[in-house]
Amino acid sequence: QKEVEQNSGPLSVPEGAIASLNCTYSDRVSQSFFWYRQYSGKSPELIMSIYSNGDKEDGRFTAQLNKASQYVSLLIRDSQPSDSATYLCAVKYGGSQGNLIFGKGTKLSVKP
Amino acid sequence: DTEVTQTPKHLVMGMTNKKSLKCEQHMGHRAMYWYKQKAKKPPELMFVYSYEKLSINESVPSRFSPECPNSSLLNLHLHALQPEDSALYLCASSHPGGNEQFFGPGTRLTVL
Repeated sequence: QKEVEQNSGPLSVPEGAIASLNCTYSDRVSQSFFWYRQYSGKSPELIMSIYSNGDKEDGRFTAQLNKASQYVSLLIRDSQPSDSATYLCAVKYGGSQGNLIFGKGTKLSVKP
Repeated sequence: DTEVTQTPKHLVMGMTNKKSLKCEQHMGHRAMYWYKQKAKKPPELMFVYSYEKLSINESVPSRFSPECPNSSLLNLHLHALQPEDSALYLCASSHPGGNEQFFGPGTRLTVL
């Protein structure tokens, strides 16, 4: 069974700190990995995608992928209270027709 | 216009009603999705349309009936729903193959 695991949190960090969100997945043939941010009562918003091993940076966000360890992470630098949300890790498994498997999400709280 | 829109934002219906949810995208995508999200849970895939043809039905009960009239529109017809079907219904679109799915704002459905 294909699974995506995340620590549900809540993860609490002070404003200005680095928030580190982690995700592991079960299927080695997975090729595509995504991080979505979801504010309470709103829909998921795509913030990062990563397809190859290593780091990918976009502004204050860095996604890291290690396929050998089946591990993907999201770092948020200079965390702001507006970053407080649930972060969903999603994995597209190889050969699927777009079937994303979502983790249960990590709730992040950034304290002023 | 690069967004996914959904109507209505909120819907309350009785168990004997028939209603429809609508989704529209103008991103040039040829794959569209319906997801269901219960409170504090990740989105669960219901249906996938690729090039206007149903390609995935995740064993969804027949009281949910999807329709894709053209490449920009996706409907979800609802009939004889149960209170446990109350949830946030999310539409998403992507290029075929499913990388980088973009979600609409969702329809909050309450079944009485």
